[in-house]
Amino acid sequence: DQQVKQNSPSLSVQEGRISILNCDYTNSMFDYFLWYKKYPAEGPTFLISISSIKDKNEDGRFTVFLNKSAKHLSLHIVPSQPGDSAVYFCAAWGYSGAGSYQLTFGKGTKLSVIP
Amino acid sequence: DAGVIQSPRHEVTEMGQEVTLRCKPISGHNSLFWYRQTMMRGLELLIYFNNNVPIDDSGMPEDRFSAKMPNASFSTLKIQPSEPRDSAVYFCASSLRGGVQPQHFGDGTRLSIL
Repeated sequence: DQQVKQNSPSLSVQEGRISILNCDYTNSMFDYFLWYKKYPAEGPTFLISISSIKDKNEDGRFTVFLNKSAKHLSLHIVPSQPGDSAVYFCAAWGYSGAGSYQLTFGKGTKLSVIP
Repeated sequence: DAGVIQSPRHEVTEMGQEVTLRCKPISGHNSLFWYRQTMMRGLELLIYFNNNVPIDDSGMPEDRFSAKMPNASFSTLKIQPSEPRDSAVYFCASSLRGGVQPQHFGDGTRLSIL
């Protein structure tokens, strides 16, 4: 049972426009959320995070929004650039139910920014 | 700064063989994680260590998998005997103090079991 879901496997956006990547979660014990970016043949790299006590966190062109009541978060990239083309993973931190706290990842959304 | 270093980058071996994946975490990081990425299941946590001690190995698929961290700068993930369904990309990650600290990933080992 997937606790972190990224329902869009892929997304194409024109350069300069906004990219919106979505993520839903089911476990109300999650209290910290992160986005990772992954290029082919490389490991994921940390992008931005948000605590459950906030509803927005911004870092340059990247903003993450959290809606706790809906158990939904989104990553906005404005303006999108061709170098942003990558797979984006949503991850949630919290009690896993298996006896420890851990990071649970979504399956990722492949973003393609078209020049 | 050196990041997380994994070796080998690629491994192709025959079913039944022993496979050993290696990881060197970032110096000073106290937590180390092993993940497996497949198309079907995405990125799954296999096991993690805090201060060289295994904390949660509930993600290890079966007894054929084992992981060790003999010191703060080295960890291994071993599969014995290997099976075709073990084919995946295996990532090692480390973080400072664990918890919500962002994890830093290596570039992974692409494992193919024939």
